[in-house]
Amino acid sequence: SFELTQPSSVSVSPGQTARITCSGDVLAKKYARWFQQKPGQAPVLVIFEDTKRPSGIPERFSGSSSGTTVTLTISGAQVDDEGDYHCYSAADGSEVFGGGTKLIVL
Amino acid sequence: EEDLLESGGGLVQPGGSLRLSCAAAGFTFSSYAMSWVRQTPGKGLEWVSTISGDGGSTYYADSVQGRFTISRHNSKNTLYLELRSLRVEDAAVYYCAAGYGVIWGQGTRVTVSS
Repeated sequence: SFELTQPSSVSVSPGQTARITCSGDVLAKKYARWFQQKPGQAPVLVIFEDTKRPSGIPERFSGSSSGTTVTLTISGAQVDDEGDYHCYSAADGSEVFGGGTKLIVL
Repeated sequence: EEDLLESGGGLVQPGGSLRLSCAAAGFTFSSYAMSWVRQTPGKGLEWVSTISGDGGSTYYADSVQGRFTISRHNSKNTLYLELRSLRVEDAAVYYCAAGYGVIWGQGTRVTVSS
C-alpha cells in the first residue's frame, strides 16, 4: 500500500487563490483525482488525471503535478467552495485517499 | 440522470454480518468499475473494495481482506458488499461509487455495537 499526505486545513479570504497539496511517492508515476465534499453530502469529483476538469466543474478549479506532489488550485475562491477536499490515487490494485483538507473561506 | 442508491445499512453486533446493496440507474452499469468507500464521522474517506465492470477482478483494502466480499449483478444493475466478522472499527457511512469516483451514492450507515 501507499500513502497520500495533505494539510489538515487551508484558509483563504474570498477572492483569493487557495492551493491544496497532496504528496506521495506514487504520484510520480500515477495520476491523482480530487474530490470536494460538503457537510452531509457525498464527494464530488472536481479534478481527474491530475489536471482535467469534469464537465460542470467551474473553471476556477485547476490541478497541477510536479514530481511526487499534486496541487489543487481554486482561483478566486468563493464561500461556496468551503468544504473538505480529498486527493486520491490508485496503483497495483490498491486505492488510497489522502487524509482530507478542510478549506475555510472567510 | 445518473444515480446510485445504497441500502442495507443498520445496527449489527460485533462479529455479525450485513449485506449492502447499491442500485444504479441512468448509465451503462456494466461499463463501469464499481467501488465501496467508507467514512467515519469527521474523518477522511477510506477505500474499501473495487470490482471490475465484468466482475472478473476484485480488490480489497488490507483492513477488510478476507472479511468483506464485493460482487455485482449486471443484469440487475446492482452492486453488493457482504460484510462479515464485523468490528467496531468498521462502523462508518458506506458509499458506492462508479468509475473511480465519477458517480457517488448518498451512503448507507453501518453501526457496529453491542
